[in-house]
Amino acid sequence: AQSVTQLGSHVSVSEGALVLLRCNYSSSVPPYLFWYVQYPNQGLQLLLKYTSAATLVKGINGFEAEFKKSETSFHLTKPSAHMSDAAEYFCAVGVLWTGANNLFFGTGTRLTVIP
Amino acid sequence: ETGVTQSPTHLIKTRGQQVTLRCSSQSGHNTVSWYQQALGQGPQFIFQYYREEENGRGNFPPRFSGLQFPNYSSELNVNALELDDSALYLCASSSPGVSGSREQYFGPGTRLTVT
Repeated sequence: AQSVTQLGSHVSVSEGALVLLRCNYSSSVPPYLFWYVQYPNQGLQLLLKYTSAATLVKGINGFEAEFKKSETSFHLTKPSAHMSDAAEYFCAVGVLWTGANNLFFGTGTRLTVIP
Repeated sequence: ETGVTQSPTHLIKTRGQQVTLRCSSQSGHNTVSWYQQALGQGPQFIFQYYREEENGRGNFPPRFSGLQFPNYSSELNVNALELDDSALYLCASSSPGVSGSREQYFGPGTRLTVT
């Protein structure tokens, strides 16, 4: 069975501070892991993905995530938060399920950046 | 390169009615997936179309149906609308090949309100 747990439905950070959004996964097969961002009233934009090539994955807008198999985690980080980072962030595991390549999403973490 | 587009942007329907949502996939993508995102939740997989056939389905009843056309655009049809069908409906396209590692590119969504 595949599932994703995002710890913390809301995270607030000051502008310039470290951003850490937590994601733990459960997968019966080697996972493909994704982080997406959703701005208000918009669709989802891919930030980065892990497909086993490297455990530290760099994405767009200065975000990166580290795959830790022993901890079944794929946390998203950014060294210095910017006001434009305020959005909803979703972690997802990608699997072949019912014959289709499917994404199982977590419930999301809303990031607030305080000026 | 044209991204994923969806129409309409917003829709209000009455319980019991039927609705059709439309999606145009990103150029070069022949696989289209549909997701339902309820308020405050992560997207949930409805089904996927590949080469004009449904090749995977999530836990949604048969009143959710779809089509894919030769140009890879797609429709989502929902019959006998219920209040719980109120959600943001997201379409995502991906490049040829069925694999859990495939990146999916999302459209802006259609906001459906059922009254």
